[in-house]
Amino acid sequence: EAGVAQSPRYKIIEKRQSVAFWCNPISGHATLYWYQQILGQGPKLLIQFQNNGVVDDSQLPKDRFSAERLKGVDSTLKIQPAKLEDSAVYLCASRVAGGDNEQFFGPGTRLTVL
Amino acid sequence: GEDVEQSLFLSVREGDSSVINCTYTDSSSTYLYWYKQEPGAGLQLLTYIFSNMDMKQDQRLTVLLNKKDKHLSLRIADTQTGDSAIYFCAESIRSSASKIIFGSGTRLSIRP
Repeated sequence: EAGVAQSPRYKIIEKRQSVAFWCNPISGHATLYWYQQILGQGPKLLIQFQNNGVVDDSQLPKDRFSAERLKGVDSTLKIQPAKLEDSAVYLCASRVAGGDNEQFFGPGTRLTVL
Repeated sequence: GEDVEQSLFLSVREGDSSVINCTYTDSSSTYLYWYKQEPGAGLQLLTYIFSNMDMKQDQRLTVLLNKKDKHLSLRIADTQTGDSAIYFCAESIRSSASKIIFGSGTRLSIRP
């Protein structure tokens, strides 16, 4: 079974530029998460989707971050404009609805904002 | 509030047991987890324990839960060099379906 795929793996941009990350969850997983992991910290939930609907985006800085999952499968996370403090690893995770609550994580996208 | 705390570093000798500790604050947690993160990789679920259990053993891993003190520990027996990683404690929040709160991680290093 293929795991959670993310691209790109690395991205370097200058502050005030825009960037987008892509996630392809495990086939059949209805729930998808985006996390931000700042160096030396644990992952922090940014947004959770159930199919193509948003379940929780309370931690998403909506003035600059946006995410969508239009067809309930792939998802994109966008930052516009980026700030220095956005430098982090952005992790995507997915899980099957219900079940034992295990989330499967992708390898992440490491963003560096200069 | 929701908070999970762990010590930042642990160093053990190869072959010894490692014990990583964690405290959490939400008494309504349903599941408590241990994740492992190797350099450049995503998080891998190692094991989890349901909140009405005291202990769970899985091969070299033993999880102990003290619900009264809100304390969780992970013991790795016969620690090997391949166990070098960052270990994250996490709790699921009953009031928020499938939301998981992570600690800051404990970096485990193995010395020969």
